[in-house]
Amino acid sequence: SQQGEEDPQALSIQEGENATMNCSYKTSINNLQWYRQNSGRGLVHLILIRSNEREKHSGRLRVTLDTSKKSSSLLITASRAADTASYFCATSGTYKYIFGTGTRLKVLA
Amino acid sequence: DAGITQSPRHKVTETGTPVTLRCHQTENHRYMYWYRQDPGHGLRLIHYSYGVKDTDKGEVSDGYSVSRSKTEDFLLTLESATSSQTSVYFCAISDPTVGDTQYFGPGTRLTVL
Repeated sequence: SQQGEEDPQALSIQEGENATMNCSYKTSINNLQWYRQNSGRGLVHLILIRSNEREKHSGRLRVTLDTSKKSSSLLITASRAADTASYFCATSGTYKYIFGTGTRLKVLA
Repeated sequence: DAGITQSPRHKVTETGTPVTLRCHQTENHRYMYWYRQDPGHGLRLIHYSYGVKDTDKGEVSDGYSVSRSKTEDFLLTLESATSSQTSVYFCAISDPTVGDTQYFGPGTRLTVL
């Protein structure tokens, strides 16, 4: 069964708006990562947050982690049409990664 | 981009035939993974390898076998392909000595008729 479940499954916003997607997981983790997948391509790593961290920033990305609720959120600020992609969270235990089902983000120009 | 290639990139085959997918890396990463991606299921781990000749099963390993005779190559074999194995297959690599990030190949689209 999937460890991570993203919410919403799909999101459509206007360029310049912020996009927030959430991930819930079931067991203890070492870290949680977010990946992006453009249509027809492999996944690309965006950001990693460790289990002892609560918030992390990278450019227009902000990730939060709440281990008590077993949840994480990814915020993309000032979205661009090029951000249109699917976004996946992945939890890492012992060298194995479990991916969620993804959020499809569409940014309208 | 991480040096990961997959071959073939596309394949159409018939039910019951054997199929082998190849993943090749130039990064000398210790860990290699095979995932399948299907609509509504995200990525599911099939098998992974933690070193030459060291492999283990993932979440959906039935009907698949793997081999790793060299650090750079990880083969995924469908002994007798079935229509339920129609999917997009991704290879990934990682190495704990350089961090926990996974790097993905471009994928192989497999259709079993």
